[in-house]
Amino acid sequence: DSGVTQTPKHLITATGQRVTLRCSPRSGDLSVYWYQQSLDQGLQFLIQYYNGEERAKGNILERFSAQQFPDLHSELNLSSLELGDSALYFCASSFGPSPYNEQFFGPGTRLTVL
Amino acid sequence: DQQVKQNSPSLSVQEGRISILNCDYTNSMFDYFLWYKKYPAEGPTFLISISSIKDKNEDGRFTVFLNKSAKHLSLHIVPSQPGDSAVYFCAASAREKLTFGTGTRLTIIP
Repeated sequence: DSGVTQTPKHLITATGQRVTLRCSPRSGDLSVYWYQQSLDQGLQFLIQYYNGEERAKGNILERFSAQQFPDLHSELNLSSLELGDSALYFCASSFGPSPYNEQFFGPGTRLTVL
Repeated sequence: DQQVKQNSPSLSVQEGRISILNCDYTNSMFDYFLWYKKYPAEGPTFLISISSIKDKNEDGRFTVFLNKSAKHLSLHIVPSQPGDSAVYFCAASAREKLTFGTGTRLTIIP
């Protein structure tokens, strides 16, 4: 158990809908990262927050947004969903802001868009 | 543009033998490299890392080798055990973020 929790575990929705994925980092960690893993793909970095502020941005679509709240939990919002958004979404946390810090991953949320 | 490549999607190795997983990268700005291991229905877990100033790092049965001129790194597992069966991702960092490869599924045959 990494100490990172993600809810829900599974999500099935329809095209055009909007969903919110939630992540609680390990106790004491200030950084939260979001990754997308599509079928047969590596983990694609989406976005990082550190202590409530956006720190780094990767290949995140404009339809996607994220935020980190004062209690350090984070939410990833996916809107106008398309079939291609079906993927595993991982959240990771680390103490510091640098990618050199070890990242601890949650179990992921599997999103299926029908 | 896949900057980190794991060209072998799968690898099978006899228990007790050496497992060698390979990873190639294209971005010469990468200065820190990591291997993560992933079991089904779990998130990846950190295994071992290496800085670009080194060419080898060991941690128990796991050794990572870095060849900067060839832009290649490898993970050696000796001896391989059944619990090592998992998907292994290599990742590289250039200050801002981690870039992951597509993974290699390692199966250890008893």
